[in-house]
Parts: sequence; C-alpha cells; structure tokens
Amino acid sequence: GAGVSQSPRYKVAKRGQDVALRCDPISGHVSLFWYQQALGQGPEFLTYFQNEAQLDKSGLPSDRFFAERPEGSVSTLKIQRTQQEDSAVYLCASSGRQGASNQPQHFGDGTRLSIL
Amino acid sequence: QKEVEQDPGPLSVPEGAIVSLNCTYSNSAFQYFMWYRQYSRKGPELLMYTYSSGNKEDGRFTAQVDKSSKYISLFIRDSQPSDSATYLCAMIQFNDYKLSFGAGTTVTVRA
Repeated sequence: GAGVSQSPRYKVAKRGQDVALRCDPISGHVSLFWYQQALGQGPEFLTYFQNEAQLDKSGLPSDRFFAERPEGSVSTLKIQRTQQEDSAVYLCASSGRQGASNQPQHFGDGTRLSIL
Repeated sequence: QKEVEQDPGPLSVPEGAIVSLNCTYSNSAFQYFMWYRQYSRKGPELLMYTYSSGNKEDGRFTAQVDKSSKYISLFIRDSQPSDSATYLCAMIQFNDYKLSFGAGTTVTVRA
C-alpha cells in the first residue's frame, strides 16, 4: 500500500484479555517502530525492528508486551493480560534505511486501545 | 524533567494569522529536528525536517532551529482552518532511531 496500515483501528477489551495489533509498513521499508501515545501526550518509543530482527525493545513497559516481525514485513504487537493503564493509541512507523537517523519515519493512523 | 518540552497551548487564532509553535530540549546530542502534524484520530504526518541551525521554509511553513539555545520553532503563515490540528515537535540523535517527541500543541484556526 501507499502508507503504513494498522488494524484494527479501534479495539475494546476487558481487563485481563490478550490483544494483538497489526502493522503493515510501507512496502520495502527495512525499519519498523512501535510507539505508544497516551492521551494529550507525544508518542513514546516502544520497540524497533530492522527487517525481522528486533534490535531494541527497551521501551516496552512490561513483559506483558511482545512484538514480532517474523518475515521482515508485517509486525504484530501483542499485549497479554491487559491492564487499564495499557489504554492508549499504539502507533506503528516505518522508514527505508536501517538505523539511519536521517530517514524520516512515516506513521500509520494507529490502533486506539481501550481496556475496560 | 522531560528531554523535550513543548509549549502546551491550546492556541486559537483567526484565519490568516501567523501561528508560532515552540519547543526546547535538554539533550545537546539531538541533531535532527522534525515537526509533525496530527489531525484528530489520525497518525502524525511529517511536515518539516531540519538538521542544522537556521531557517528552513516550505510554502507557508518555516522551521527554525537554534542549537546554541536548544530551541526550535515552527511558524505557519496565512493560517487556514485546515491547519487546525495538534503539532508535535520531535528530535533524534545522530545514528539513533528513537524519536523523542514533545507533548504537542493543539491549534485551532477560526474561520
């Protein structure tokens, strides 16, 4: 597709349920990022993939959060045993060249997660 | 204290006014500076990208960077109602990949 595609756009789950959020990056983009955006705040870095390798997961809030990109294209962010504090917008971004800080990151429209 | 501080707003201006948005930062290692626009329930969209001190102009938008003062600005001339959005500043260190964002400033341009 022309841009970064995320699904679902909205997800409501009960506390304790597991959720899976999908990101389809721009075709051919090597780098993929996940960010978390709380209401009224800027996005916060969660994790970074270069192709299928997860090179940095330092921003993941807890071991309930898990991300994968098995074939180097589509990525899934999974949250196990969801808590109310997990409610946020989860943004995916991709860029063309691995680890190049001068390559702009292009964002999807995010998944708005609400935990009841 | 956060690495990137952004004027909180919100800002409300009449159509045609100049909008001025500002961010300060504490980490002198930041080398690349960006402004993103985020419409309600949409993802951030890159507006401006700069890496040196000085001004960069693109249409009605001017980005200004002052590395000595650790201060960046975005100016929007002849503002339009379609400019109503949240504006996020972001920055990144050389050879890094993590963007550090400000909290955003919500701008409303009144017709």
